[in-house]
Amino acid sequence: DAGITQSPRYKITETGRQVTLMCHQTWSHSYMFWYRQDLGHGLRLIYYSAAADITDKGEVPDGYVVSRSKTENFPLTLESATRSQTSVYFCASSDIDRVDGYTFGSGTRLTVV
Amino acid sequence: DQQVKQNSPSLSVQEGRISILNCDYTNSMFDYFLWYKKYPAEGPTFLISISSIKDKNEDGRFTVFLNKSAKHLSLHIVPSQPGDSAVYFCAASASRGNNRLAFGKGNQVVVIP
Repeated sequence: DAGITQSPRYKITETGRQVTLMCHQTWSHSYMFWYRQDLGHGLRLIYYSAAADITDKGEVPDGYVVSRSKTENFPLTLESATRSQTSVYFCASSDIDRVDGYTFGSGTRLTVV
Repeated sequence: DQQVKQNSPSLSVQEGRISILNCDYTNSMFDYFLWYKKYPAEGPTFLISISSIKDKNEDGRFTVFLNKSAKHLSLHIVPSQPGDSAVYFCAASASRGNNRLAFGKGNQVVVIP
């Protein structure tokens, strides 16, 4: 099915563990983004990618790592999870110069205990 | 420093009445503005947008007004329906901003039947 999918939908992990959130899009959109949503903060950009092998930091990149070896995939890794990284994570994609074409995934709710 | 600000985090309105959501921005480079709507457990979805060359854009029950001199935009929903109950995010982009969107914190709208 065409679209943008995130996995897992829910994840509980322990402090200090490494965890990877997956994002896959089927449109071959150039741009992909990772946001986190927290009460009182709205949506904050973690990392984004303009194309395969091109990534850049957003507002809150500390503690996160991304890669983009293929256009369709943009995984987000928490190298050593902390409780402050408990959040809902949204992946999004868009084509070049089409900001109203931002399409979000359904989100991953991550709890770090 | 947050570049897109949404005050009044929540709004309750009677069905059939007008809902007005406000958004202020600080970055003079922003020239494209959007509103996204988000239901619980779903990703945000694009609602309506406006370019800085316009001061109004209308789509059905939704109208966005832009006041560039005041760096202010608003979303009007008329008439409000129970299905409009959601969180609304204001977002802004600069044409040369790598497709990046800056989001506000969101407004929770509750439409009372």
